[in-house]
Amino acid sequence: QTVVTQEPSFSVSPGGTVTLTCGLNSGSVSISYYPSWYQQTPGQAPRTLIYRANIRSSGVPDRFSGSILRNKAALTITGAQADDESDYYCVLYMGSGLYVFGTGTRVTVL
Amino acid sequence: EVQLVQSGAVVEKPGESLRISCKASGYSFTTYWIAWVRQMPGKGLEWMGIIYPGDSDTRYSPSFQGQVTISADKSISTAYLQWSGLKASDTAMYYCAKSSGPTRHFDYWGQGTLVTVSS
Repeated sequence: QTVVTQEPSFSVSPGGTVTLTCGLNSGSVSISYYPSWYQQTPGQAPRTLIYRANIRSSGVPDRFSGSILRNKAALTITGAQADDESDYYCVLYMGSGLYVFGTGTRVTVL
Repeated sequence: EVQLVQSGAVVEKPGESLRISCKASGYSFTTYWIAWVRQMPGKGLEWMGIIYPGDSDTRYSPSFQGQVTISADKSISTAYLQWSGLKASDTAMYYCAKSSGPTRHFDYWGQGTLVTVSS
């Protein structure tokens, strides 16, 4: 069974930097998995942040960046703001039309 | 403007059948996959499956295969998620999401449909 693992939670100070990761139980994450990242605030639908590992979706502030870091997909928030306090999910494309969501990371800004 | 508008919240009894919908507009419905995503109360997002409305090619997560049916009616640009016998554990928010195509991400999302299964 495919499991995509994220850190359960992170706390970051306003103006600080935090890097979330997205790992795969069966091996390394590469760009061939088309990693994407989504932000979800309570009661809202997810919002697309990053796709194909490092491309920001339209309208997403440049404090959000994506990368492949030590065999995992990574999302970095540089200069965190209060309204970045959300849940963040990665998604990997597994081929044959199949996708898997990561377990999600709750980011607190305080 | 691309929009995915989902049907409203429902409350159903265990064992009942249910179909919820996702009406697309603002793009060519038949040329992009549409996925369904579950979020149980207080839990994370789970990818359920996906359909290509052009030919109704459908793929399911192993966790949801046989538990739900995904379909689409291209004449009215609408995708569906249905159950033939609801369980209390189906209580969740369900989102539809449009796939982007070659970049394999979900670029537009519906507002969600809350399904509550309770006797």
